[in-house]
Amino acid sequence: SYVLTQPPSVSVAPGRTARISCGGDNIGDYSVQWYQQKPGQAPVLVIFYDSDRPSGIPERLSGSNSGNTATLTISRVEAGDEADYYCQVWDSSSDHPVFGGGTKLTVL
Amino acid sequence: QVQLVESGGGLVTPGGSLRLSCTTSGFIFSDYYMTWIRQAPGKGLEWVSYISSSGHAIDYADSVKGRFTISRDNAKNSLFLQMNSLSADDTAVYYCARAQPTRYGDQYYFDSWGQGTLVTVSS
Repeated sequence: SYVLTQPPSVSVAPGRTARISCGGDNIGDYSVQWYQQKPGQAPVLVIFYDSDRPSGIPERLSGSNSGNTATLTISRVEAGDEADYYCQVWDSSSDHPVFGGGTKLTVL
Repeated sequence: QVQLVESGGGLVTPGGSLRLSCTTSGFIFSDYYMTWIRQAPGKGLEWVSYISSSGHAIDYADSVKGRFTISRDNAKNSLFLQMNSLSADDTAVYYCARAQPTRYGDQYYFDSWGQGTLVTVSS
C-alpha cells in the first residue's frame, strides 16, 4: 500500500517560516490534503488539492506538491500554529485514504 | 453550519461490542460519502471505513474488516459503526467525517469532522 512519510517534528521561531514535508512515491501525481490538529481537538482541513485553502484558513498557510514531496508552508508562524499536521492522499490502488504519520510543529 | 456529533463511545471489555453513531446537520447528508477515522492515544490518524452516499459502496481497513460494520440512515441524517470482537488495539478516539471528492473523481478528502468519541477496550 501507499506510504506517506513525514518528519516527526519541526521547530520554528515565531515570525519565521515552517516547512513540513510529506514524502511519497510520485506524490506529485496525487491530490494532497493537509489537516491541522491542536491538542484535544478534532483535525481541521487546512489545504486541499495540493494548495487550495478552505474558507477561514489564513493565507499564511500554503501547499505545494511535485515529484516525490508535498510541502505545507506556514509563513510568519504564530504560537497558535502549534499543532500536529497530517498529510493525506487517496491510494487509488487500494481505493483507500492514506495518512502520513503526522508532524508536531513546535513554536519556540 | 455543518455539524457532526459522535456518540456511543465508552469502556468495553475485550471481545465486546459497541455501536457508534454520528448525527449530522447543516448539509444534505444523502449527497455525501461518509467515513470513520480513528486515532489511538498518542498516535496518528487511521482510516477505518467509508460508505457511499447511497450506502451501496462500502469498504474497510484490513485491521477491522470482518469485525466492524458501517451503515447509514439518510432519513435520519445519521452514520453508524457497529464494532464487534473488540480488542485493546481498537482503543481510540473515533471520528466521523464528511468526504469530498477530489478532482480525480472517486478519490476523497475529509472537509468536516466531528469532535470524536472515545472507545476504550480494557478488562
